[in-house]
Amino acid sequence: NAGVTQTPKFRVLKTGQSMTLLCAQDMNHEYMYWYRQDPGMGLRLIHYSVGEGTTAKGEVPDGYNVSRLKKQNFLLGLESAAPSQTSVYFCASSNLRGGPTDTQYFGPGTRLTVL
Amino acid sequence: SQQGEEDPQALSIQEGENATMNCSYKTSINNLQWYRQNSGRGLVHLILIRSNEREKHSGRLRVTLDTSKKSSSLLITASRAADTASYFCATDDRGAQKLVFGQGTRLTINP
Repeated sequence: NAGVTQTPKFRVLKTGQSMTLLCAQDMNHEYMYWYRQDPGMGLRLIHYSVGEGTTAKGEVPDGYNVSRLKKQNFLLGLESAAPSQTSVYFCASSNLRGGPTDTQYFGPGTRLTVL
Repeated sequence: SQQGEEDPQALSIQEGENATMNCSYKTSINNLQWYRQNSGRGLVHLILIRSNEREKHSGRLRVTLDTSKKSSSLLITASRAADTASYFCATDDRGAQKLVFGQGTRLTINP
């Protein structure tokens, strides 16, 4: 099992450009999450999904959109990137039995810089 | 606002010593988890302790939970250089359907 994978690993954008981060998991997990990690801020939840076709806002959703068209994939989109979105983005998943507050499995992260 | 807050923010010890880090939280919880993050990597789950448990062990890790004080501690015994990482606690609050992570403790093990 690959677990949780993220694409790309690194990306540099100019202000106003758009991009999509892809998260894939092969554990058949129902729940998936997108976090951002900034120095001294810990992890903050951007959006999450409790199943295929569903999404919900987290703590810091502004400037981001998400889609969960397939159970194994969770996409995070930035429509018009801003320097404040420079961060490391992590995707995670958890299974139905434990629920969203049980063990989460993390991807390796995407380091995004917006100039 | 942060649910879990770790203390200290940074800890540096000699290899072989024990490392203790603490987590305090604000609201009632169902469980509390500890995660490790090596530099440049994603978080890895270490241990989960439920609100009706007081202590849990996993190898060289020992976690305690005091719900009356709303605090938890993570003890790493006989530390190794490979334990150098950041450690995060994560809590839910009853009724919320998500975890909230603290800011982490950065642990450095000196050879």
